[in-house]
Amino acid sequence: KQEVTQIPAALSVPEGENLVLNCSFTDSAIYNLQWFRQDPGKGLTSLLLIQSSQREQTSGRLNASLDKSSGRSTLYIAASQPGDSATYLCAVSTGANSKLTFGKGITLSVRP
Amino acid sequence: NAGVTQTPKFQVLKTGQSMTLQCAQDMNHEYMSWYRQDPGMGLRLIHYSVGAGITDQGEVPNGYNVSRSTTEDFPLRLLSAAPSQTSVYFCASSFSGLRTGELFFGEGSRLTVL
Repeated sequence: KQEVTQIPAALSVPEGENLVLNCSFTDSAIYNLQWFRQDPGKGLTSLLLIQSSQREQTSGRLNASLDKSSGRSTLYIAASQPGDSATYLCAVSTGANSKLTFGKGITLSVRP
Repeated sequence: NAGVTQTPKFQVLKTGQSMTLQCAQDMNHEYMSWYRQDPGMGLRLIHYSVGAGITDQGEVPNGYNVSRSTTEDFPLRLLSAAPSQTSVYFCASSFSGLRTGELFFGEGSRLTVL
């Protein structure tokens, strides 16, 4: 059974800091990995999707990397801003039914 | 673009009542799904559909029913509400399925069962 872990559960950083959010998964036979952002009381917004054949994806100040063999992904946020404060979740797609398994998320607070 | 639209946004039910959470998408997505999100439990898949007329169970299907008569709509029915079904429910869709496609979420429906 696929398990996705995100540690720590919460993170607080000063504005301007470059930061890395980690995601680990137990079954490396994945189709893809997605990073989502969730603001309080809102739905999830897809940030980056990395296919299993890819090593990384970039969008603006965000860069996500994937190392399938070690079961790890990182989301790098450059020059963090207070507007980046949110919960960040990763999810991996695995199995015959392409089930998406979510981590429990990292709640990020960027202090002005 | 409306994207994925869920109604209602908030609902309070009494134990034993039934109701339907509506989900509609205007992106011509084949794949649609329902999740519930609970503190400490994360997101759990309830039911999903890979196209009109095709549905299947997810991780926590008991107490819920779905149907997919059109590509656009995927309603979730609570047959006899229980306090354990108090949760935030999200509908999500993808154009090409989860092997390759990005997943788009609605804003959520917050359900309280008394």
